[in-house]
Amino acid sequence: SQTIHQWPATLVQPVGSPLSLECTVEGTSNPNLYWYRQAAGRGLQLLFYSVGIGQISSEVPQNLSASRPQDRQFILSSKKLLLSDSGFYLCAWSVRHRGANTEAFFGQGTRLTVV
Amino acid sequence: AQSVTQLGSHVSVSEGALVLLRCNYSSSVPPYLFWYVQYPNQGLQLLLKYTTGATLVKGINGFEAEFKKSETSFHLTKPSAHMSDAAEYFCAVTLKIYNQGGKLIFGQGTELSVKP
Repeated sequence: SQTIHQWPATLVQPVGSPLSLECTVEGTSNPNLYWYRQAAGRGLQLLFYSVGIGQISSEVPQNLSASRPQDRQFILSSKKLLLSDSGFYLCAWSVRHRGANTEAFFGQGTRLTVV
Repeated sequence: AQSVTQLGSHVSVSEGALVLLRCNYSSSVPPYLFWYVQYPNQGLQLLLKYTTGATLVKGINGFEAEFKKSETSFHLTKPSAHMSDAAEYFCAVTLKIYNQGGKLIFGQGTELSVKP
C-alpha cells in the first residue's frame, strides 16, 4: 500500500534561518507531488506541484522553493525564513488515471513557527 | 481557471441533526470533485469523490454528496451529526485534463461544530 512520510512534525525556527522540509512517498511510482500551506484560520494554498523529477511549478511568488531530486522525494526549502512563512505545511501526492488527476493523499503536516 | 467556493466558514449543528456543507465550483471542463476532512493538527483525509458515473456518491462516516452540474454544486450531507464529526471540511476540484499534471484546488474550508 502507498504511504507518505513528512517530517518534522513541528519546527520552530528564527527569522532569517534556512528551512528544509522533506516528504517521501512509498508504494507508487511517478506520482504528482504537492506542497500546500495552511495559515491559521485559512484554507489550503497550493505552493508547488511537480509531475516528475526536476519538474516544479510554482503557484505563488514567495520566499520558498521546492525540489524533486528523486521520483518519490519532494523537498521544500527557504534560504531565509520570514515571520510570514509560519503555518502548517502539507505534502500530498496523487496519481494520474487515464491522464487526469485522481484524489490527493496527504501527509500529517509540519507545523512551522518562525520566531 | 477553476475555483471552489464553500459557503459558510463556520457551521454549527446539534447532535443528531442534519449536516449540510455547501460547495460550488467553477470549471471550464468536466471536473473531479472531492471532500476532505481535517482534524486539528493533522493532514487531510478523503471523505468521498466524484469522477464519473453516479452523481450521488457515498463516503466514509455516513457522509454523501451529490454532483449537480446544472447548479455547479457538490454539497456534502450527513443525515445525523455525531460529536466526532466536529472538524474542518474542505471541498476540492481538479480538472480532467488529459496528459497534463493538473492540480487540486481547495475551497477555504468550513469548520463544523456539533453541539450536544
